[in-house]
Amino acid sequence: DGGITQSPKYLFRKEGQNVTLSCEQNLNHDAMYWYRQDPGQGLRLIYYSQIVNDFQKGDIAEGYSVSREKKESFPLTVTSAQKNPTAFYLCASSITSGTGANVLTFGAGSRLTVL
Amino acid sequence: AQKITQTQPGMFVQEKEAVTLDCTYDTSDQSYGLFWYKQPSSGEMIFLIYQGSYDEQNATEGRYSLNFQKARKSANLVISASQLGDSAMYFCAMRETISNFGNEKLTFGTGTRLTIIP
Repeated sequence: DGGITQSPKYLFRKEGQNVTLSCEQNLNHDAMYWYRQDPGQGLRLIYYSQIVNDFQKGDIAEGYSVSREKKESFPLTVTSAQKNPTAFYLCASSITSGTGANVLTFGAGSRLTVL
Repeated sequence: AQKITQTQPGMFVQEKEAVTLDCTYDTSDQSYGLFWYKQPSSGEMIFLIYQGSYDEQNATEGRYSLNFQKARKSANLVISASQLGDSAMYFCAMRETISNFGNEKLTFGTGTRLTIIP
């Protein structure tokens, strides 16, 4: 079955360490996204990519980095510059259609805790 | 900037009753789309229903329907005959075009936690 796989599901990090969250999709979707979710808040966009080798900052990109070397993969690195990285991270993908119900398909998420 | 408001942080509903989750939005765009997602305790976001701004009829998907009142800028989700499995967080979201290629992002509300009581 097609879908989005995020790993790891849980991750613990010491302050000052960089960590990379994996996101792989086999839906043949062009666009991929990273969202952050904090308790009591909705999802906020970190980065998005609409084609290979191209990506754009979202609303809260500071302290994060991404790459898009393959259509299927969109890893997110949480750097030591991110001051409050403890959160739930969701990866999503969609067909770039520009019209209608361009539904985002989400992965199961990765929960990062900074010790 | 677009904004989504969900004013109900939590709701408790008796099993088999209908429930309405409120969502209001603010946008200056003429063309937009509204989505509802369900997030169970597992964390994954599950798409429920979509309403386009030019759709004349309210969207329906099984037990889910969207009460779309364009003039009031509201897009409430109605769940009929609620079930225990409906207990989850529910998010309203609005589509926003963010590139010349038509790529889109969703702006989310803060969500409503729905608990179904047996």
